[in-house]
Amino acid sequence: EVQLLESGGGLKQPGGSLRLSCVASGFSFSSCAMNWVRQAPGKGLEWVSAITGSGDYTYYADSVKGRFTISRDNSKNTVFLQMEGLRAEDTAVYYCAKAYLWGLDYIDYWGQGILVTVSS
Amino acid sequence: DIQMTQSPSSLSASVGDRVTITCRASQDISNYVAWFQQKPGKAPKSLIYGAYSLQSGVPSKFSGSGSGTDFTLTISSLQPEDVATYYCQQYNGYPVTFGGGTKVDI
Repeated sequence: EVQLLESGGGLKQPGGSLRLSCVASGFSFSSCAMNWVRQAPGKGLEWVSAITGSGDYTYYADSVKGRFTISRDNSKNTVFLQMEGLRAEDTAVYYCAKAYLWGLDYIDYWGQGILVTVSS
Repeated sequence: DIQMTQSPSSLSASVGDRVTITCRASQDISNYVAWFQQKPGKAPKSLIYGAYSLQSGVPSKFSGSGSGTDFTLTISSLQPEDVATYYCQQYNGYPVTFGGGTKVDI
């Protein structure tokens, strides 16, 4: 059974930093790209970032480029999202989402989400 | 960036009705479309990929069609458990983009 478990969320002040983690199980982790998708309160889904199975390639939404960094540790089946320069508009539930294969591919499983609140 | 325009933004239908949601891409994306269901307070769930292929375990009342720029998600017989918001997504290229969502009520 595929499981994705996010952690690291919480309340941060504007300008602060936060690192989200997502521990995966139930599949060959290094064979699958991983994504972060967020959802602001009462809003729709917004793709944030993706990383290929090997970690060689990373991709970002314009809204987070230069502030967020995605990475992965295949030895620990974990993907990370380092968030810097947080803004109020980064407040959202962040979902870790598995892609079917190594590169750009459809999402087949989602984590339960973790709330990040940016407020003074 | 590829824009995904989803319609309607909300709909109300009766139990047993056939429901259709549409999604239009701003450029040709072949069949690189996925559909997701999100029930209130829950994480999204994957329904369809490749425009028409059902994810494992998804009931056959859900179906997808289309290619190029126009896509549809159909629920053949709406049931109370189908109350949710549905999203389309293109994965033809980065940045991946989602439609705005369609809220389905009974």
